[in-house]
Amino acid sequence: DTGVSQNPRHKITKRGQNVTFRCDPISEHNRLYWYRQTLGQGPEFLTYFQNEAQLEKSRLLSDRFSAERPKGSFSTLEIQRTEQGDSAMYLCASSLTTGGFVGELFFGEGSRLTVL
Amino acid sequence: DQQVKQNSPSLSVQEGRISILNCDYTNSMFDYFLWYKKYPAEGPTFLISISSIKDKNEDGRFTVFLNKSAKHLSLHIVPSQPGDSAVYFCAASEGQKLVFGQGTRLTINP
Repeated sequence: DTGVSQNPRHKITKRGQNVTFRCDPISEHNRLYWYRQTLGQGPEFLTYFQNEAQLEKSRLLSDRFSAERPKGSFSTLEIQRTEQGDSAMYLCASSLTTGGFVGELFFGEGSRLTVL
Repeated sequence: DQQVKQNSPSLSVQEGRISILNCDYTNSMFDYFLWYKKYPAEGPTFLISISSIKDKNEDGRFTVFLNKSAKHLSLHIVPSQPGDSAVYFCAASEGQKLVFGQGTRLTINP
């Protein structure tokens, strides 16, 4: 399978715990995006990387959230001290783009977080 | 503030007929618009897009129309097929991020 891969697919945690999600993009894609989707809503932009550089972060990404993309390959999204409001589907997407246009994003299946 | 809105949460269409999904936006700086389709337990998949300098783009059974003066776009699917049953999201690009609508669940009835 050469698509975008996300792990784990589902994480249940207690409030206050830390969680980490991993995204493996399509191998030749230089841009990687994280989105969050809650029930009944469309995906909301969180952050994106071009290679290893994190170029934009949404105001939704509080200090408890940190994303990395070491070596410009896979990415991790860590949420510290989880809150019930963090319960959502976390979607990763990648694209191969050289210009300013965002281009077609290829999404993974998502990692669902449930905070009890 | 919802910059991209899909006001119909659901739509039911008979197989073979035309499906029309609508989307409104408020930000005149959006320069590209896209439609994504999502099946349960899968991530969204790209369907079709249109630049803000065009008013129509067609790809097989799918056509997207853009009315910039009304800040409105629509997706036409004709003829509709059972496999088209999914949630459809419209999205608009603002720099490197996509702003999505809430989605419309399309059901194609045999």
